[in-house]
Amino acid sequence: DTAVSQTPKYLVTQMGNDKSIKCEQNLGHDTMYWYKQDSKKFLKIMFSYNNKELIINETVPNRFSPKSPDKAHLNLHINSLELGDSAVYFCASSQGTHKETQYFGPGTRLLVL
Amino acid sequence: DQQVKQNSPSLSVQEGRISILNCDYTNSMFDYFLWYKKYPAEGPTFLISISSIKDKNEDGRFTVFLNKSAKHLSLHIVPSQPGDSAVYFCAASYSGNTPLVFGKGTRLSVIA
Repeated sequence: DTAVSQTPKYLVTQMGNDKSIKCEQNLGHDTMYWYKQDSKKFLKIMFSYNNKELIINETVPNRFSPKSPDKAHLNLHINSLELGDSAVYFCASSQGTHKETQYFGPGTRLLVL
Repeated sequence: DQQVKQNSPSLSVQEGRISILNCDYTNSMFDYFLWYKKYPAEGPTFLISISSIKDKNEDGRFTVFLNKSAKHLSLHIVPSQPGDSAVYFCAASYSGNTPLVFGKGTRLSVIA
């Protein structure tokens, strides 16, 4: 009965490949997020979706494309992976605005070789 | 530019004593502050929050203090327990659809 789940948990791939990370929440929330935690440990928001509509895109390269097929899912597709994309990617969800408590998934550890 | 700063990367405290984790912010528009706790290989989990209209919020062993004039907040854990050993993130937000801004985190080690 995991609240926010992400797959895969680990992802090792070569530069130039395209990969996707999936996120699902069973909390009935209407807002979902993708965060990136880089090697310096900063946790930075990438995207925010509310009711399947994009509401925040924090100057993320357009190689990153989020897709929300429904309110419970927010997937992240990354084209032409680069070394600098290596990080931990966290999905989160909340009910309503960003001030509401956000529930995070366990993270996807991406390593680009 | 870091709008939310946690200047201590790590802190060690003995079990039973008080843990004090500090956080400074630069954006005076922030009006809502949160602390998240993160164990290894897990996502952050919400711990406690405070609105700028308050200067203190308490929840069991956890208390957050806010000093708006100093743009500083702190998280007190009393008494500290070994299970509190984790990375603690401070985060801030302000009105509207603005995203949470996180600090870099402080790793707390509670020694039995």
